[in-house]
Amino acid sequence: QVQLVESGGALVKPGGSLRLSCVASGFIFSDHYISWIRQGPGQRLEWISSIGDNPRTVFYTESVKGRFTMSRDNAKNSVSLQMNNLRPEDTGVYYCARGEPVPQIWDYWGQGTSVTVSS
Amino acid sequence: DIQMTQSPSSLSASVGDNVTVACQASEDVSIYVNWYQQKPGSAPRLLIYDASTLQTGVSSRFSASGGGTDFTFTIRGLQPEDFAVYYCQEHNDMPFAFGQGTKLEIK
Repeated sequence: QVQLVESGGALVKPGGSLRLSCVASGFIFSDHYISWIRQGPGQRLEWISSIGDNPRTVFYTESVKGRFTMSRDNAKNSVSLQMNNLRPEDTGVYYCARGEPVPQIWDYWGQGTSVTVSS
Repeated sequence: DIQMTQSPSSLSASVGDNVTVACQASEDVSIYVNWYQQKPGSAPRLLIYDASTLQTGVSSRFSASGGGTDFTFTIRGLQPEDFAVYYCQEHNDMPFAFGQGTKLEIK
């Protein structure tokens, strides 16, 4: 069955860095876009980033451009989100999700990993 | 950026009721709207995509319609497991905005 498992969330100080990972199984990973979506405390869901089957195809929401970098390793069925210069407003639960039948329809989601940015 | 606005923000209903949620886009998004269900402590679950297509394995009690800027989502014959938060999301253009959610509570 399709599974996505995130890890790497933690408490970090403003200006700090964190690397999130998402490992997938149960489908042909290299055929699919994978996205990161976050949810701040009591907030609506927010799309952060997507990476295509071609790892050079990456998109970001404006608020994280220049600070976050998404990458993928098809050999390891995994994606990563390198988050630098973290801000308190980056606090939330970060989900990875599979795009199917098109990249921005998210049919399977991981359980989420929690990031808290606070001094 | 496109804004997605849901109404109502919360809704109280009883088992067996029919409920409808509205979602309005700030500009034309064609049919590119999805609906998700989220229960406390869980990831969202895709219910409907492209305005009206039921995701595989989802109960036919869920339905949706719309296009352009106005969309609706309906649950017929509410079951106890349906009490959750529902989100609309556009995928016409980045940043693929979500609505603020509609919390469906038991009356």
